[in-house]
Amino acid sequence: DTGVSQNPRHKITKRGQNVTFRCDPISEHNRLYWYRQTLGQGPEFLTYFQNEAQLEKSRLLSDRFSAERPKGSFSTLEIQRTEQGDSAMYLCASSPLSSNYGYTFGSGTRLTVV
Amino acid sequence: GQSLEQPSEVTAVEGAIVQINCTYQTSGFYGLSWYQQHDGGAPTFLSYNALDGLEETGRFSSFLSRSDSYGYLLLQELQMKDSASYFCASDTSGTYKYIFGTGTRLKVLA
Repeated sequence: DTGVSQNPRHKITKRGQNVTFRCDPISEHNRLYWYRQTLGQGPEFLTYFQNEAQLEKSRLLSDRFSAERPKGSFSTLEIQRTEQGDSAMYLCASSPLSSNYGYTFGSGTRLTVV
Repeated sequence: GQSLEQPSEVTAVEGAIVQINCTYQTSGFYGLSWYQQHDGGAPTFLSYNALDGLEETGRFSSFLSRSDSYGYLLLQELQMKDSASYFCASDTSGTYKYIFGTGTRLKVLA
């Protein structure tokens, strides 16, 4: 098990384009989380899956953002009609269902919207 | 609103002890976690306190006082590799959906 994998590591896109990021969690982890982090700030919660069910979405997540986790395995986060304010590091994390051992974060996808 | 307050920066010398404080105000509270993040890296889990008191893991200890809405991370025998940002995070729902603080940048000097 190589931990949480995120692809791509970097993405540069033009404003108005759509982008999709992928996260492969640790295989036995039921929970999967997406966070967004901007420079000098702590991660901000975006959304959370338990298996394939999306149980919670932040109010930060506008209609341009959508996330899926088909079959409870990998997850994708799509941003439509990107804006410069979407530029950030997008972090995925996973954890077992019952754990007080915290998340395992992936290395993130750095999005730059130009 | 929901917030976690931390000092923005702390500086200490190698071998010293440093304490990073966190005060929180959240609508729900199930526990407090601490994460370490090196520049350009992913946050790494350090500790989780669900109950009041001190939890010790090697050189790192974490403390929680629910009545004071306060916790701290204690780092002992500081090493250069401990230079990083440290975030406290409140578990607000029992599902480990965290609200993170703004982070404390720790600089360890030789």
